[in-house]
Amino acid sequence: EPEVTQTPSHQVTQMGQEVILRCVPISNHLYFYWYRQILGQKVEFLVSFYNNEISEKSEIFDDQFSVERPDGSNFTLKIRSTKLEDSAMYFCASSETPDRPSRYFGPGTRLTVT
Amino acid sequence: EDQVTQSPEALRLQEGESSSLNCSYTVSGLRGLFWYRQDPGKGPEFLFTLYSAGEEKEKERLKATLTKKESFLHITAPKPEDSATYLCAVHSSGNTPLVFGKGTRLSVIA
Repeated sequence: EPEVTQTPSHQVTQMGQEVILRCVPISNHLYFYWYRQILGQKVEFLVSFYNNEISEKSEIFDDQFSVERPDGSNFTLKIRSTKLEDSAMYFCASSETPDRPSRYFGPGTRLTVT
Repeated sequence: EDQVTQSPEALRLQEGESSSLNCSYTVSGLRGLFWYRQDPGKGPEFLFTLYSAGEEKEKERLKATLTKKESFLHITAPKPEDSATYLCAVHSSGNTPLVFGKGTRLSVIA
């Protein structure tokens, strides 16, 4: 069974610091997504990415956030200046086509901003 | 705006006590309805995709059904290992992301 992997599993950072969350999507997938889930709340879409550019982004995905595919395997989410309210689980997902949005989610990175 | 409402928020069952979880949705045009299982501190684990009203899918003790307004996840003779949060999500057009409900937290007591 193919799987999406994410690192680190847990990241603790101080408010105002930059963090980079990393994801390795499934190898033949072309569409990549980041979602987040604040503790006790629903999973929320952040951004989708295809062909080295953002396809769609939510209102949550403001100028503090950026995504990048720095090489052929990794997909990263950067938060430039973290806030307390950025504390959440961040999930990466990937799919072969946009018509079949992700069946495959990664295990998540728990981000704690202090 | 696409909306997904799941009920109940939490459900406690005795082992072997069958029940159903509900997912009501409002979308401009349904391309697919997804069910996931989520264990604490883990990512969503895909269970089913349903594409059209009347469709049903089964996996072990789980059966998902779909109408034009809602989906049900039926759990037959649940076991403690079925305890998890079950998430419903909808996909409404080619490039839009999934919209999730808040989930139903299921506890199965031995």
